[in-house]
Amino acid sequence: DAGVIQSPRHEVTEMGQEVTLRCKPISGHNSLFWYRQTMMRGLELLIYFNNNVPIDDSGMPEDRFSAKMPNASFSTLKIQPSEPRDSAVYFCASSTMGGTEAFFGQGTRLTVV
Amino acid sequence: GESVGLHLPTLSVQEGDNSIINCAYSNSASDYFIWYKQESGKGPQFIIDIRSNMDKRQGQRVTVLLNKTVKHLSLQIAATQPGDSAVYFCAAPSGAAGNKLTFGGGTRVLVKP
Repeated sequence: DAGVIQSPRHEVTEMGQEVTLRCKPISGHNSLFWYRQTMMRGLELLIYFNNNVPIDDSGMPEDRFSAKMPNASFSTLKIQPSEPRDSAVYFCASSTMGGTEAFFGQGTRLTVV
Repeated sequence: GESVGLHLPTLSVQEGDNSIINCAYSNSASDYFIWYKQESGKGPQFIIDIRSNMDKRQGQRVTVLLNKTVKHLSLQIAATQPGDSAVYFCAAPSGAAGNKLTFGGGTRVLVKP
């Protein structure tokens, strides 16, 4: 398996634009996590899904952020409108529900100017 | 203006020496604890986990110790190598499904040749 695949690897966008980050989890994994990493706040859990259903979105900063998982092999994290303070590295991770190991993608480095 | 970022504790280690990284946790109900390693430009990578009913677990060159009395977790790396230079995170699960993974602030390990 190629591991968790995220796209794009880098994204530079202007303030106010919509940004969509994409994630393909490892086949067979039924839990998917979106994290954000910044120097200020470290690694924060934004939202996670079990069996494509959002379980906990309490980490989502505000209504500008939304996440979907239409099927077991794809998830998106959308920011609309984007702001400079959204600049961060966004990681997607997947795991089996009973497993202790979450596998992370390479991340998407987002820069909002 | 000047920005204030998350201050990562840093451990400088001579190549070949042993490293000890510490972590304090607050949730006594966690069933297990995990150590992750994050190299520059990459996503966190699972190193080792330990169940809450254990106090020690050994892997390849790594040992994790769990002291539930004082809610303390440590990762020992034997014969530290340059490839061990990274940021190390402890993590613990929570949430109703038991797989909501929350990360600590991290410790940077710098291996000196």
